Amino acid sequence: GDSVTQTEGLVTLTEGLPVMLNCTYQTIYSNPFLFWYVQHLNESPRLLLKSFTDNKRTEHQGFHATLHKSSSSFHLQKSSAQLSDSALYYCALSGGYKVVFGSGTRLLVSP
Amino acid sequence: GGIITQTPKFLIGQEGQKLTLKCQQNFNHDTMYWYRQDSGKGLRLIYYSITENDLQKGDLSEGYDASREKKSSFSLTVTSAQKNEMAVFLCASKQGASERLFFGHGTKLSVL
Repeated sequence: GDSVTQTEGLVTLTEGLPVMLNCTYQTIYSNPFLFWYVQHLNESPRLLLKSFTDNKRTEHQGFHATLHKSSSSFHLQKSSAQLSDSALYYCALSGGYKVVFGSGTRLLVSP
Repeated sequence: GGIITQTPKFLIGQEGQKLTLKCQQNFNHDTMYWYRQDSGKGLRLIYYSITENDLQKGDLSEGYDASREKKSSFSLTVTSAQKNEMAVFLCASKQGASERLFFGHGTKLSVL
């Protein structure tokens, strides 16, 4: 079945350093949609990014990701981490109506 | 805009008890979802419903039932609560296969 694998557990960074959270997926669908959701403390997940076509970059709020079907990846990047980026990040795969999530990566940015 | 309302916000149950969680959305979305959130395990799909009266099992459906009698509502039943179980259940909805999910604020379950 469909599955998503993310960078495991906790990623700790110093403010100003680049962010890279990995996401790879497996699916039977030839045209899946990939998403990144962000969940801050005591809030619900909300959309951060959605994939476009193969090899096309998508950007929002300083974050960006590119869907690469050749490697089944949709890694999340940001050039310079901010304290407010500390949150739980989920990569999600939508093939048809079923939406599956990875196990989440907690990002902690320190001064 | 719209909103997804989950009730109750907190649910405390006894071992073996049947417990029901409710979700209402006013987005007029066709598709609704129930996820379970456990620390370190991400969001696991329990049930989803493509349209009214439709039910599809997710990867974690064992031990749960679901019901979608109206387009705007989707309920989840824990058929037999497990002792010391603690999790957050999130309801979500969307319109169309390629669209984003909107989430409710969750129901936090504790079983004594």
